Amino acid sequence: EDKVVQSPLSLVVHEGDTVTLNCSYEVTNFRSLLWYKQEKKAPTFLFMLTSSGIEKKSGRLSSILDKKELFSILNITATQTGDSAVYLCAVGVNSGGSNYKLTFGKGTLLTVNP
Amino acid sequence: DARVTQTPRHKVTEMGQEVTMRCQPILGHNTVFWYRQTMMQGLELLAYFRNRAPLDDSGMPKDRFSAEMPDATLATLKIQPSEPRDSAVYFCASGYPGSRGYTFGSGTRLTVV
Repeated sequence: EDKVVQSPLSLVVHEGDTVTLNCSYEVTNFRSLLWYKQEKKAPTFLFMLTSSGIEKKSGRLSSILDKKELFSILNITATQTGDSAVYLCAVGVNSGGSNYKLTFGKGTLLTVNP
Repeated sequence: DARVTQTPRHKVTEMGQEVTMRCQPILGHNTVFWYRQTMMQGLELLAYFRNRAPLDDSGMPKDRFSAEMPDATLATLKIQPSEPRDSAVYFCASGYPGSRGYTFGSGTRLTVV
């Protein structure tokens, strides 16, 4: 059974801190790893990673994948209260032919206090 | 911005009643997923479709849940009969293989009393 584990489950920091969120996985037929941010409603896409060692960056957020050790990290620098959300990691796997599905971790709840 | 539309946004129903949730995927997306989110289990995949054909519904309780795509603009998820343990937020997401992630709808919050 495919497994995606995120840590920590929750984290409280102060504005300006840097945080690192972790995602490890055990899946068959790995294809990609995705990070989503979920505030009150739908998860919104942040990054998709397919290759080891190549950092993806968007503003204060960055992410990297290690396919040998089967994990990814999401870094947020200079955190702001607007970064408070649940961060979800998902792994895309091939499920037969060209079919592809996402398995999610349970998320990390990040709270940024002013 | 293109978006995935889900209806209803909220549904409260009594145990034993039928519930139908609807999803309009983004035009051109050929893959549609149904997920259920609870505090305990997180996001669980219930079913997904590609080009309207069901590919995997192994995450659904077959005796009470059914998912269909009657046409490319509509996906439905039905629960009959509903039970209190079905209370959750149900998300639909659409995309296409190789896309940069999938786009989620705003979800249907279902409460079964």
